[in-house]
Amino acid sequence: GAVVSQHPSWVICKSGTSVKIECRSLDFQATTMFWYRQFPKQSLMLMATSNEGSKATYEQGVEKDKFLINHASLTLSTLTVTSAHPEDSSFYICSATGGYTGELFFGEGSRLTVL
Amino acid sequence: DAKTTQPPSMDCAEGRAANLPCNHSTISGNEYVYWYRQIHSQGPQYIIHGLKNNETNEMASLIITEDRKSSTLILPHATLRDTAVYYCIVRVGGGNQGGKLIFGQGTELSVKP
Repeated sequence: GAVVSQHPSWVICKSGTSVKIECRSLDFQATTMFWYRQFPKQSLMLMATSNEGSKATYEQGVEKDKFLINHASLTLSTLTVTSAHPEDSSFYICSATGGYTGELFFGEGSRLTVL
Repeated sequence: DAKTTQPPSMDCAEGRAANLPCNHSTISGNEYVYWYRQIHSQGPQYIIHGLKNNETNEMASLIITEDRKSSTLILPHATLRDTAVYYCIVRVGGGNQGGKLIFGQGTELSVKP
């Protein structure tokens, strides 16, 4: 089946630095990608919807200047956490859709720890 | 906000069928029902989706009531590896090719030997 890959799978950074997470669709063209974050023992929270070649649409309460999303090609979307702080530590997950089967495929997730 | 309600947890004996219920009483006519599951610290895994007809694949069956206000996911012969959090989701806006998935709290299924 279709595969969505995220990189890195885990990252540790110092407070104040920026971190970029990549999401790639490996065998299909993803017209739309979604970014989620998940805190321990909680459900996934949708952060933003990203369409190739256009600006991302952010959910209410998500700071667009804090979480920069770029979807420059049909197989790649990136999430940059700018000036990361410990409260940004979380599990970030992307998903992608682009086929006609109606399935949305999720990446393996990227665990960010900000010290 | 999520448009679904699920029991927070369920137990099932290994080898038995696991029936996971979901209420989605405010679902609109063109909104699909999706089921995913998540094993600890992994990305969600797609299971099945449907609009109004019952659906079956190699993993599970999805039974949607005629009024579409609820559905049941059936794992016919649960194994220990089916222990996970199961999410029932109504895909909002765009049918089955567009629209986004808003996750609720899910059901934590524990399959016991």
